Amino acid sequence: AAGVIQSPRHLIKEKRETATLKCYPIPRHDTVYWYQQGPGQDPQFLISFYEKMQSDKGSIPDRFSAQQFSDYHSELNMSSLELGDSALYFCASRGTGGIEQFFGPGTRLTVL
Amino acid sequence: DQQVKQNSPSLSVQEGRISILNCDYTNSMFDYFLWYKKYPAEGPTFLISISSIKDKNEDGRFTVFLNKSAKHLSLHIVPSQPGDSAVYFCAATSVGGSQGNLIFGKGTKLSVKP
Repeated sequence: AAGVIQSPRHLIKEKRETATLKCYPIPRHDTVYWYQQGPGQDPQFLISFYEKMQSDKGSIPDRFSAQQFSDYHSELNMSSLELGDSALYFCASRGTGGIEQFFGPGTRLTVL
Repeated sequence: DQQVKQNSPSLSVQEGRISILNCDYTNSMFDYFLWYKKYPAEGPTFLISISSIKDKNEDGRFTVFLNKSAKHLSLHIVPSQPGDSAVYFCAATSVGGSQGNLIFGKGTKLSVKP
């Protein structure tokens, strides 16, 4: 069965650079969530989209923005990167009427 | 303040025995609970869930128990297998409230020894 796809899997950036992370949800899933997991930490909710509209916002810095496109894929844009942004970034998708979220493999961002 | 707590960072169990992973929550608005399993370098994999209207849900070797009055849930794995070795995250959400974003505990690393 198709799963959530994230790209790139690994990304290395310098401080103050920008990064774009992409997420392709499971087909026919209309809700996308972004989570950030720091080293030794639990995943923290950043932002979610339902039917291309932002539906909820968590602890997402103002330097980050995201959107969901007409094909339901989502992109997380991160600007003015800081060392503390180094983390695993997970995308998860959920189908209409479902509650369980299905996670992608994550993007490991390293900021040097 | 951590709304979902997994107080045991690690657990070691012998193969074939029962593994019991515990989770406590503080927010009484949570009405749906999920367990995820995570291997290194992979995303969390959904295991099993339970609604607050139930006190038990079973799926093969995995059973989740919910005690609403104590705000406590547990995941039982029996019999445990070496392939179960992973980090297990408890997560909670409010179905009727937010758009379903999950609040995670810090995880318990399970090691199943042959």
